[in-house]
This record gives sequence, structure tokens and C-alpha cells, in this order.
Amino acid sequence: KNQVEQSPQSLIILEGKNCTLQCNYTVSPFSNLRWYKQDTGRGPVSLTIMTFSENTKSNGRYTATLDADTKQSSLHITASQLSDSASYICVVSRGPGGGFKTIFGAGTRLFVKA
Amino acid sequence: SQTIHQWPATLVQPVGSPLSLECTVEGTSNPNLYWYRQAAGRGLQLLFYSVGIGQISSEVPQNLSASRPQDRQFILSSKKLLLSDSGFYLCACQDPNQETQYFGPGTRLLVL
Repeated sequence: KNQVEQSPQSLIILEGKNCTLQCNYTVSPFSNLRWYKQDTGRGPVSLTIMTFSENTKSNGRYTATLDADTKQSSLHITASQLSDSASYICVVSRGPGGGFKTIFGAGTRLFVKA
Repeated sequence: SQTIHQWPATLVQPVGSPLSLECTVEGTSNPNLYWYRQAAGRGLQLLFYSVGIGQISSEVPQNLSASRPQDRQFILSSKKLLLSDSGFYLCACQDPNQETQYFGPGTRLLVL
């Protein structure tokens, strides 16, 4: 069964600290993995996208890693800011393209406290 | 770059009333368009998918329908809303030659 599981479900950290969010998937055949950030009441915004041959990609303070052998990905946030408080969604696509072949994780809710 | 418009931003409707949510896209041609629903604290659920005008694929049986009357217009409808239709509805757009989906701002629907 094609699934995307994220952990933890929620996380509280202090401003300035680092954190790592996890994503495990069983989607096959694999095409790409994306991380989105979704602020409350807003649409998700793409952070990173990685294909099978990529094992790390950065976007500012966000660094995503991918291990296609173990089917795991992580999103590392460095020097967190209050504005990082949001839901982070892991999305995996099967085969070429997306559409109905795209599977969304339930997300990790991150709270950054001052 | 692509811009996705959704309206209204918030909607409160009584049970049994009709629904029409509109999504329009700028900055791209012949995009793939999607409607998602997100229940509170839950992941995104794909409702409908369209690769072109008049072409609609439905992912789950439900009380809703979708239409694509123009290349960059995607409409989500219902004849009679149910309480379970409450949620956050997101329209997304994807260039067929790219992998990333871009999302609109969403419509929050509350059915009472």
C-alpha cells in the first residue's frame, strides 16, 4: 500500500534551536519527494523537491535529505524562528508526474516559542 | 510564475444548500488542476484532478462534483451540502512538465 508517514505529529521548540522532522514512505515506484510548509489557514508552499538521485537539498535554513534505499526523508530546520511555526507536509509522487499518483503525509505541526 | 486565485476565502452554508467554489490560475497554460480537502488536523485528500478542459477524474465517491469550463478555471460544486463537507478546500496547479504543485490560498467551508 502506498503510504507516507510523518513523525512526530507535533513538536514544540524554543526559538533559535534546531529540529528535524521525519518522513517514511512506502510509495512505489518512486518519482520524487517534496516538503511543503503550510501556515495556518493558508495553502501549502513548496520548500524542496528531490528525485531518486538526490540525497540532500537546501532552501535557506531548511535542509532536506533523502535515503531512497530505506525510503526515508528528513527536514532539518536550523536556528528556528517564530515564523517557522507551521505544518510541514511530506509529499511523495509515484512514477512520472503527479496528480492522483501523489500521496500526502498528514504533516508535522511545529510550534516555535520565544 | 503561477498565481492561483480562490474565492471566497471563507464560507458558511446551511446543510442542504448548494455550493460553488471557484479557482482560477494565471501564468501558465494547459496546467493540471486539482481540488483537495483538508479536515482540521488532517492531511490533504485529493478530490478531483483535471488534465484539460472538460476532463475530470474523481478520486473518492462523494457529494461533490467538479468542472473545468476553461483552461485555467476549475470549479467545485455541490447540489446539497452535508455537515461532513466542512473543511479547508485547496486548489492546486501543476505545469505538466514540472513536478511541483502550487497551491491557492484555500477556502474554509463551514456547513451548519
